[in-house]
Amino acid sequence: AQSVTQPDIHITVSEGASLELRCNYSYGATPYLFWYVQSPGQGLQLLLKYFSGDTLVQGIKGFEAEFKRSQSSFNLRKPSVHWSDAAEYFCAVGAMEYGNKLVFGAGTILRVKS
Amino acid sequence: DAGVIQSPRHEVTEMGQEVTLRCKPISGHDYLFWYRQTMMRGLELLIYFNNNVPIDDSGMPEDRFSAKMPNASFSTLKIQPSEPRDSAVYFCASSYGIHEQFFGPGTRLTVL
Repeated sequence: AQSVTQPDIHITVSEGASLELRCNYSYGATPYLFWYVQSPGQGLQLLLKYFSGDTLVQGIKGFEAEFKRSQSSFNLRKPSVHWSDAAEYFCAVGAMEYGNKLVFGAGTILRVKS
Repeated sequence: DAGVIQSPRHEVTEMGQEVTLRCKPISGHDYLFWYRQTMMRGLELLIYFNNNVPIDDSGMPEDRFSAKMPNASFSTLKIQPSEPRDSAVYFCASSYGIHEQFFGPGTRLTVL
């Protein structure tokens, strides 16, 4: 069965520090991957996506993610976190073989301390 | 574009009542998804449509839940009768083909 694991439920970083949020997946097909961000009381907003090609993808708000097939990972990074980045982050995985369904991870709540 | 529109944004109802949630997808999108988000279960896909046709409803919890998409610009998710355990945030999302899904702001449902 397809699954997505975000091992960290909560992460706290200082403003200006670097950030890495982990995402591992288990899929029986070639995946395509997304990172979404959700602020309190809001819907999910797409940060970045990977379908094919360059395994390092750039997204909005200074975020990037790297697809590592050998590790089944798609970790999200940001070199310098801003207080406005505090939110919940979701990794999602899909595959052409499974139609247009996405499987979402449980989310990682990011807290930024000043 | 206004994005995905959901109504109402908040709904408070009593157990046993019928609840109808509404969604207007982004114009031109051919996929529409209904999700439910709770603290305990996270984000769950309930059902999705392609070109107004239900493709996969395996996530619909039980017969009390039903969803329709009468045309490309409107969908409803109905719960009848509602129960307290249905309290959650319900999201509608749409996409064009196999691309990123765009989410609406959600409907927060509270069943007393």
